[in-house]
Amino acid sequence: QSVLTQPPSASGTPGQRVTISCSGSTSNIGSNIVNWYQQLPGTAPKLLIFSNNQRPSGVPDRFSGSKSGTSASLAISGLQSEDEADYYCAAWDDSLNVVFGGGTKLTVL
Amino acid sequence: EVQVLDSGGGLVQPGGSLRLSCAASGFNFNSYAMNWVRQAPGKGLEWVSLISGSGGSTYYADSVKGRFTISRDDSKNTVYLQMNSLRAEDTAVYYCAKGSYGSGKNGVLDYWGQGTLVTVSS
Repeated sequence: QSVLTQPPSASGTPGQRVTISCSGSTSNIGSNIVNWYQQLPGTAPKLLIFSNNQRPSGVPDRFSGSKSGTSASLAISGLQSEDEADYYCAAWDDSLNVVFGGGTKLTVL
Repeated sequence: EVQVLDSGGGLVQPGGSLRLSCAASGFNFNSYAMNWVRQAPGKGLEWVSLISGSGGSTYYADSVKGRFTISRDDSKNTVYLQMNSLRAEDTAVYYCAKGSYGSGKNGVLDYWGQGTLVTVSS
């Protein structure tokens, strides 16, 4: 059981906009930044969004993040086949650890 | 170019020990936090441990507290994870990941190693 709650799966067709939610509590998302990771099949995770809504260099602006209260969302617009991956949210928890969501498997139909 | 290379995985019996290493380059190593994250077969990511840039602070997941120890040797740009009293449930790919400047207490892991597989089995 993960501390942060994500839907196990999401899907969309090419060109569509999809969103993935991440729900936490006052000790993690409510008081700390949220980060998102993308894990393509068979590869190591990659930082996709940091500090709620910032993109590292090289990440397309099709990816965006937002946070409100104890929840956060990742949005992917103009969905492409190469976006098919597992997505994880993460945050620092005031109990002195990093917490991850259980992951969302995105399928491009 | 930032590089993170983790190594040291293998097959170990329950109750045994293993030490993972992570060699990093391309940044001012001694100023940045470093993390270990693991992923059991077919499962999601689980954070394991964090060591601050100064090395003065360490943090652990409850599942490994008292059994695992994170440390760093800034002269070698290397971070270690000493794993003792290993259990079957510790079987996973272990990733080393660069954290942010200083304490690293924000969940930002911006560069990851390729992962090293630890299998705990008799």
